[in-house]
Amino acid sequence: GEDVEQSLFLSVREGDSSVINCTYTDSSSTYLYWYKQEPGAGLQLLTYIFSNMDMKQDQRLTVLLNKKDKHLSLRIADTQTGDSAIYFCAESIGSNTGKLIFGQGTTLQVKP
Amino acid sequence: NAGVTQTPKFRVLKTGQSMTLLCAQDMNHEYMYWYRQDPGMGLRLIHYSVGEGTTAKGEVPDGYNVSRLKKQNFLLGLESAAPSQTSVYFCASSYSGQGDSYEQYFGPGTRLTVT
Repeated sequence: GEDVEQSLFLSVREGDSSVINCTYTDSSSTYLYWYKQEPGAGLQLLTYIFSNMDMKQDQRLTVLLNKKDKHLSLRIADTQTGDSAIYFCAESIGSNTGKLIFGQGTTLQVKP
Repeated sequence: NAGVTQTPKFRVLKTGQSMTLLCAQDMNHEYMYWYRQDPGMGLRLIHYSVGEGTTAKGEVPDGYNVSRLKKQNFLLGLESAAPSQTSVYFCASSYSGQGDSYEQYFGPGTRLTVT
Protein backbone atom coordinates (compact mmCIF):
# COMPACT_ATOMS: atom_id res chain seq x y z
CA GLY A 1 0.00 0.00 0.00
CA GLU A 2 0.90 3.64 -0.02
CA ASP A 3 3.55 4.76 2.45
CA VAL A 4 5.38 7.97 3.31
CA GLU A 5 8.64 7.93 5.25
CA GLN A 6 10.47 10.74 7.01
CA SER A 7 13.37 10.95 9.41
CA LEU A 8 12.11 11.73 12.91
CA PHE A 9 14.41 14.49 14.12
CA LEU A 10 16.57 17.35 12.81
CA SER A 11 18.53 19.88 14.82
CA VAL A 12 20.02 23.06 13.31
CA ARG A 13 21.44 26.37 14.50
CA GLU A 14 19.51 29.58 14.03
CA GLY A 15 20.42 31.17 10.72
CA ASP A 16 21.40 27.88 9.07
CA SER A 17 19.38 26.16 6.36
CA SER A 18 17.24 23.15 7.26
CA VAL A 19 16.50 20.34 4.85
CA ILE A 20 13.74 17.88 5.69
CA ASN A 21 13.48 14.80 3.50
CA CYS A 22 10.61 12.50 2.61
CA THR A 23 10.11 9.45 0.44
CA TYR A 24 6.77 8.20 -0.85
CA THR A 25 5.55 5.16 -2.71
CA ASP A 26 2.52 6.12 -4.81
CA SER A 27 3.87 7.21 -8.19
CA SER A 28 0.40 8.36 -9.24
CA SER A 29 0.20 11.04 -6.54
CA THR A 30 -0.90 14.29 -8.13
CA TYR A 31 0.18 16.59 -5.35
CA LEU A 32 2.66 16.41 -2.48
CA TYR A 33 2.34 18.59 0.57
CA TRP A 34 4.27 19.96 3.51
CA TYR A 35 2.41 20.71 6.71
CA LYS A 36 3.68 22.30 9.93
CA GLN A 37 2.43 21.49 13.43
CA GLU A 38 3.31 23.70 16.37
CA PRO A 39 2.94 22.34 19.94
CA GLY A 40 -0.66 21.80 20.97
CA ALA A 41 -2.04 22.90 17.61
CA GLY A 42 -3.46 21.39 14.44
CA LEU A 43 -1.59 21.09 11.17
CA GLN A 44 -1.11 24.10 8.94
CA LEU A 45 -0.42 23.81 5.22
CA LEU A 46 2.96 25.30 4.36
CA THR A 47 3.20 24.57 0.68
CA TYR A 48 2.48 21.94 -1.94
CA ILE A 49 3.88 20.93 -5.29
CA PHE A 50 2.23 19.50 -8.37
CA SER A 51 3.76 16.22 -9.45
CA ASN A 52 4.92 17.51 -12.85
CA MET A 53 7.10 20.18 -11.21
CA ASP A 54 10.68 19.74 -10.03
CA MET A 55 10.89 22.75 -7.74
CA LYS A 56 8.73 25.33 -6.06
CA GLN A 57 9.98 28.34 -4.13
CA ASP A 58 7.93 30.36 -1.68
CA GLN A 59 9.88 33.00 0.27
CA ARG A 60 12.20 31.04 2.63
CA LEU A 61 10.78 27.68 1.56
CA THR A 62 12.05 25.60 -1.35
CA VAL A 63 10.45 22.30 -2.28
CA LEU A 64 12.35 19.86 -4.48
CA LEU A 65 10.68 16.87 -6.07
CA ASN A 66 12.52 13.94 -7.63
CA LYS A 67 9.71 11.94 -9.13
CA LYS A 68 11.99 9.19 -10.44
CA ASP A 69 13.27 8.45 -6.92
CA LYS A 70 9.95 9.40 -5.25
CA HIS A 71 11.84 11.83 -3.03
CA LEU A 72 10.57 15.14 -1.73
CA SER A 73 12.48 17.69 0.31
CA LEU A 74 11.69 20.94 2.10
CA ARG A 75 14.46 23.48 2.53
CA ILE A 76 13.99 26.32 5.00
CA ALA A 77 16.48 29.13 4.48
CA ASP A 78 17.71 31.25 7.41
CA THR A 79 15.98 29.01 9.96
CA GLN A 80 14.55 30.85 12.96
CA THR A 81 13.58 29.62 16.44
CA GLY A 82 9.95 30.15 15.41
CA ASP A 83 10.42 27.43 12.81
CA SER A 84 10.76 24.84 15.58
CA ALA A 85 7.85 22.45 15.01
CA ILE A 86 6.92 19.09 13.54
CA TYR A 87 6.89 18.97 9.74
CA PHE A 88 4.76 16.45 7.90
CA CYS A 89 5.09 15.33 4.34
CA ALA A 90 1.91 14.03 2.69
CA GLU A 91 0.95 12.58 -0.67
CA SER A 92 -2.46 12.63 -2.32
CA ILE A 93 -4.04 9.26 -2.98
CA GLY A 94 -7.20 8.23 -4.79
CA SER A 95 -9.10 10.58 -7.03
CA ASN A 96 -11.84 13.06 -6.17
CA THR A 97 -11.59 12.37 -2.44
CA GLY A 98 -8.80 14.66 -1.27
CA LYS A 99 -7.38 11.82 0.79
CA LEU A 100 -3.81 12.17 2.00
CA ILE A 101 -1.24 9.77 3.42
CA PHE A 102 1.03 11.44 5.98
CA GLY A 103 4.55 10.63 7.03
CA GLN A 104 5.46 10.23 10.69
CA GLY A 105 6.61 13.83 10.97
CA THR A 106 10.08 15.35 11.43
CA THR A 107 10.69 17.32 14.60
CA LEU A 108 12.81 20.36 13.78
CA GLN A 109 14.74 21.81 16.70
CA VAL A 110 16.32 25.21 16.12
CA LYS A 111 19.04 26.16 18.59
CA PRO A 112 19.81 29.83 19.21
CA ASN B 1 -14.36 32.94 9.80
CA ALA B 2 -13.72 30.48 12.62
CA GLY B 3 -12.35 27.90 10.17
CA VAL B 4 -12.48 24.37 11.59
CA THR B 5 -13.54 23.98 15.21
CA GLN B 6 -13.62 20.86 17.36
CA THR B 7 -15.57 20.08 20.52
CA PRO B 8 -14.48 19.13 23.15
CA LYS B 9 -10.79 20.02 23.46
CA PHE B 10 -10.10 17.41 26.15
CA ARG B 11 -11.96 14.37 27.42
CA VAL B 12 -11.28 11.47 29.76
CA LEU B 13 -13.40 8.34 29.33
CA LYS B 14 -13.59 5.05 31.14
CA THR B 15 -13.32 1.85 29.14
CA GLY B 16 -16.69 0.99 27.63
CA GLN B 17 -18.11 4.51 27.69
CA SER B 18 -19.30 6.20 24.53
CA MET B 19 -18.85 9.73 23.26
CA THR B 20 -19.21 11.91 20.18
CA LEU B 21 -16.65 14.38 18.89
CA LEU B 22 -18.02 17.29 16.91
CA CYS B 23 -16.27 19.00 14.02
CA ALA B 24 -17.67 22.13 12.42
CA GLN B 25 -16.42 24.19 9.49
CA ASP B 26 -17.70 27.49 8.15
CA MET B 27 -15.84 27.50 4.82
CA ASN B 28 -18.50 25.63 2.83
CA HIS B 29 -16.05 22.82 2.13
CA GLU B 30 -17.37 19.64 0.53
CA TYR B 31 -14.80 17.26 2.00
CA MET B 32 -14.22 16.45 5.64
CA TYR B 33 -11.88 14.02 7.43
CA TRP B 34 -11.20 12.54 10.83
CA TYR B 35 -7.63 11.58 11.77
CA ARG B 36 -5.95 10.26 14.85
CA GLN B 37 -2.40 11.21 15.78
CA ASP B 38 -0.24 8.91 17.85
CA PRO B 39 3.44 9.44 18.76
CA GLY B 40 5.80 8.40 15.96
CA MET B 41 2.95 7.39 13.65
CA GLY B 42 1.92 10.60 11.97
CA LEU B 43 -1.75 11.06 11.17
CA ARG B 44 -3.94 8.14 10.21
CA LEU B 45 -7.26 8.59 8.47
CA ILE B 46 -10.24 7.15 10.36
CA HIS B 47 -13.22 8.12 8.18
CA TYR B 48 -13.92 10.77 5.60
CA SER B 49 -16.79 12.36 3.72
CA VAL B 50 -16.92 13.74 0.19
CA GLY B 51 -20.25 15.47 0.71
CA GLU B 52 -23.32 15.90 2.88
CA GLY B 53 -24.92 12.54 3.62
CA THR B 54 -21.90 10.48 2.51
CA THR B 55 -19.17 8.80 4.55
CA ALA B 56 -16.42 6.31 3.81
CA LYS B 57 -13.85 4.29 5.75
CA GLY B 58 -10.25 5.36 5.98
CA GLU B 59 -7.18 3.51 7.12
CA VAL B 60 -8.21 2.77 10.75
CA PRO B 61 -12.05 2.79 10.98
CA ASP B 62 -12.64 0.00 13.51
CA GLY B 63 -14.33 1.13 16.72
CA TYR B 64 -15.51 4.43 15.22
CA ASN B 65 -18.62 5.63 13.42
CA VAL B 66 -19.29 8.92 11.67
CA SER B 67 -22.17 10.96 10.36
CA ARG B 68 -22.44 13.95 8.03
CA LEU B 69 -26.04 15.06 8.23
CA LYS B 70 -25.19 18.69 7.54
CA LYS B 71 -22.50 19.94 5.19
CA GLN B 72 -20.78 21.97 7.88
CA ASN B 73 -20.64 19.24 10.55
CA PHE B 74 -18.84 15.92 10.76
CA LEU B 75 -19.37 13.79 13.88
CA LEU B 76 -17.07 11.04 15.12
CA GLY B 77 -18.54 8.51 17.54
CA LEU B 78 -16.86 6.00 19.81
CA GLU B 79 -19.40 3.35 20.71
CA SER B 80 -17.41 1.54 23.42
CA ALA B 81 -14.14 3.28 24.19
CA ALA B 82 -10.96 1.23 24.62
CA PRO B 83 -7.55 2.31 25.96
CA SER B 84 -6.15 1.82 22.43
CA GLN B 85 -8.29 4.78 21.37
CA THR B 86 -6.33 7.14 23.59
CA SER B 87 -5.04 9.64 21.06
CA VAL B 88 -5.29 13.14 19.70
CA TYR B 89 -8.09 13.44 17.15
CA PHE B 90 -7.98 15.97 14.35
CA CYS B 91 -10.71 17.00 11.99
CA ALA B 92 -9.95 18.60 8.64
CA SER B 93 -11.92 19.97 5.73
CA SER B 94 -10.99 20.69 2.15
CA TYR B 95 -12.26 21.82 -1.19
CA SER B 96 -11.20 20.95 -4.69
CA GLY B 97 -8.82 23.83 -5.23
CA GLN B 98 -6.90 24.94 -8.29
CA GLY B 99 -6.03 21.88 -10.32
CA ASP B 100 -7.72 19.61 -7.75
CA SER B 101 -5.13 20.43 -5.09
CA TYR B 102 -7.45 19.64 -2.13
CA GLU B 103 -5.78 21.80 0.48
CA GLN B 104 -6.83 20.53 3.91
CA TYR B 105 -7.57 22.86 6.80
CA PHE B 106 -7.22 21.39 10.28
CA GLY B 107 -8.98 21.95 13.58
CA PRO B 108 -7.06 22.36 16.86
CA GLY B 109 -7.57 18.76 17.96
CA THR B 110 -9.28 16.82 20.75
CA ARG B 111 -7.10 15.05 23.28
CA LEU B 112 -8.88 11.87 24.42
CA THR B 113 -7.71 9.61 27.21
CA VAL B 114 -9.40 6.27 27.86
CA THR B 115 -8.64 4.70 31.23
